[in-house]
Amino acid sequence: GAGVSQSPSNKVTEKGKDVELRCDPISGHTALYWYRQSLGQGLEFLIYFQGNSAPDKSGLPSDRFSAERTGGSVSTLTIQRTQQEDSAVYLCASSLSVIRRISGINTDTQYFGPGTRLTVL
Amino acid sequence: RKEVEQDPGPFNVPEGATVAFNCTYSNSASQSFFWYRQDCRKEPKLLMSVYSSGNEDGRFTAQLNRASQYISLLIRDSKLSDSATYLCVVRGAGSYQLTFGKGTKLSVIP
Repeated sequence: GAGVSQSPSNKVTEKGKDVELRCDPISGHTALYWYRQSLGQGLEFLIYFQGNSAPDKSGLPSDRFSAERTGGSVSTLTIQRTQQEDSAVYLCASSLSVIRRISGINTDTQYFGPGTRLTVL
Repeated sequence: RKEVEQDPGPFNVPEGATVAFNCTYSNSASQSFFWYRQDCRKEPKLLMSVYSSGNEDGRFTAQLNRASQYISLLIRDSKLSDSATYLCVVRGAGSYQLTFGKGTKLSVIP
């Protein structure tokens, strides 16, 4: 079946411009995550959506970053007034978000999209 | 102390070699553990989950030591196609956030 898709695959922008990155999760997945991977760094959590619940925005690095998820499916990550340090690969992931009933352990697998490589000049 | 630490690498090994990656995590409440594989300029993909005392999948064996907060990945009879960056990933109890290590790059040489 279709996996997580992201667009655009590459984005080059000038400092100070706004950018929008799109994520289409796997159909039926209720959980959606955004991560950022800077050169030589590990993946950094940005934001999490689960169904109709309020998103967890605790990983967003500044108020220039925002995200929304319409209709519980497609998500858009917006970066306003981009800075050079925003240059990174932005990865989206989705999951079924299933929790084992007995142990209460969240065992769902997160499936990643191919990412959007953002370069801010 | 970083939340998830891995061997810095890179590891350059000949085909057929056995290679081991190590990872430590700082949050003792962590509940779920994974190894992801990331090819160059590609997205991370789940290699294997690590539960309880560890598990094996073909040439790959993952071990977990909760007392030492230590996870390992062993690759036997390494293939050229195993060349990638291996990411140690941890999730806290009742949490959905994954915390990633920076990864260890493996190059399998003919």
